[in-house]
Amino acid sequence: KAGVTQTPRYLIKTRGQQVTLSCSPISGHRSVSWYQQTPGQGLQFLFEYFSETQRNKGNFPGRFSGRQFSNSRSEMNVSTLELGDSALYLCASSRTGDSNQPQHFGDGTRLSIL
Amino acid sequence: AQSVTQLGSHVSVSEGALVLLRCNYSSSVPPYLFWYVQYPNQGLQLLLKYTSAATLVKGINGFEAEFKKSETSFHLTKPSAHMSDAAEYFCAVSVAGGFKTIFGAGTRLFVKA
Repeated sequence: KAGVTQTPRYLIKTRGQQVTLSCSPISGHRSVSWYQQTPGQGLQFLFEYFSETQRNKGNFPGRFSGRQFSNSRSEMNVSTLELGDSALYLCASSRTGDSNQPQHFGDGTRLSIL
Repeated sequence: AQSVTQLGSHVSVSEGALVLLRCNYSSSVPPYLFWYVQYPNQGLQLLLKYTSAATLVKGINGFEAEFKKSETSFHLTKPSAHMSDAAEYFCAVSVAGGFKTIFGAGTRLFVKA
């Protein structure tokens, strides 16, 4: 069974640009969550999607957005990139997103802002 | 709101020694608790989870954790450390209907030969 796939693995952008990251969940998983991981802030929850609907979001500015498609694949977009957006972005999936289910993580996309 | 505190950002043990990684949680409703491990350049992998069944939970790779409601703790232990256990460990909490998992800051485990 294929795991969670995130593309690309590495990305370099400059300030002011925008970026789109992709996540393909495990087959049969309909919940996708996104996290930002930095050395200073640790793992910060961005948002969670289920059946194309955002059910929860973290405390991030509106520059961070996401969406989910009918096949459960998800994308997140960051506009007007800032140096502080440099981070490892992790995607995680679970079957229904119920809180007692563990999450299955991808290996992440490492975003560097120059 | 829920929160997780991991005591000690770095823990160093000798190979064969006991591993103890500390986690305390805060939640106004019964929590679900998890431990994850992250190896360099990889995502997180589930070690074990507590979902209100047995308070002593056994996970993969010889790890276990005990849920203690009176102490609001969920410490992770392993009787004998192995070099391959060197990684970063995250404690996490979620609650029913939240659709959101809160992670602790992580504890990096070093294992000395």
